[in-house]
Amino acid sequence: DTGVSQDPRHKITKRGQNVTFRCDPISEHNRLYWYRQTLGQGPEFLTYFQNEAQLEKSRLLSDRFSAERPKGSFSTLEIQRTEQGDSAMYLCASSLDPGLGEKLFFGSGTQLSVL
Amino acid sequence: AQRVTQPEKLLSVFKGAPVELKCNYSYSGSPELFWYVQYSRQRLQLLLRHISRESIKGFTADLNKGETSFHLKKPFAQEEDSAMYYCALRGSGAGKSTFGDGTTLTVKP
Repeated sequence: DTGVSQDPRHKITKRGQNVTFRCDPISEHNRLYWYRQTLGQGPEFLTYFQNEAQLEKSRLLSDRFSAERPKGSFSTLEIQRTEQGDSAMYLCASSLDPGLGEKLFFGSGTQLSVL
Repeated sequence: AQRVTQPEKLLSVFKGAPVELKCNYSYSGSPELFWYVQYSRQRLQLLLRHISRESIKGFTADLNKGETSFHLKKPFAQEEDSAMYYCALRGSGAGKSTFGDGTTLTVKP
């Protein structure tokens, strides 16, 4: 499968623990996005990268959240001191051409449950 | 600020009937509009973009700037069209997309 890959698929953690998710975009895709989706809602933008540069962060992204894309390839999203409200599906997407009509390719997501 | 509204959470039609999934948006600039689809147990995928003016799987969508709408239409629904559909907006030159909360389409035999 040469699509966007996310790991792990599921993560169960206790409140207060730190978690880290990984996203491997499609090879040569220079843009990478993180979204969060809760039940009954559409994906909410968190942040995105152009190569290794983080260009925009949503106000939803508190100081407990951090994302990196150190070499412009894979990305990690870390949540520190998790809270029950962090329980959600975390989606990663990548794109090759950021121009008009940018086509996003989504991964299958990481489902986070905070107990 | 940008906002996307999909007024119908659920939509059910019979096979062969026309279907229209509504999408309204709010954005002060020149928007780009998209429809994404998620079939059961599959990942979210792009269905069509207004910029391409394309028809995919028999679906079309026209951007109506006067009514700030981008409704998705298909003249004859098929059972395999049953899925969750999301409308999304991206501001011109922007990175992020804003998604609506989705409409679950069920096509009954």
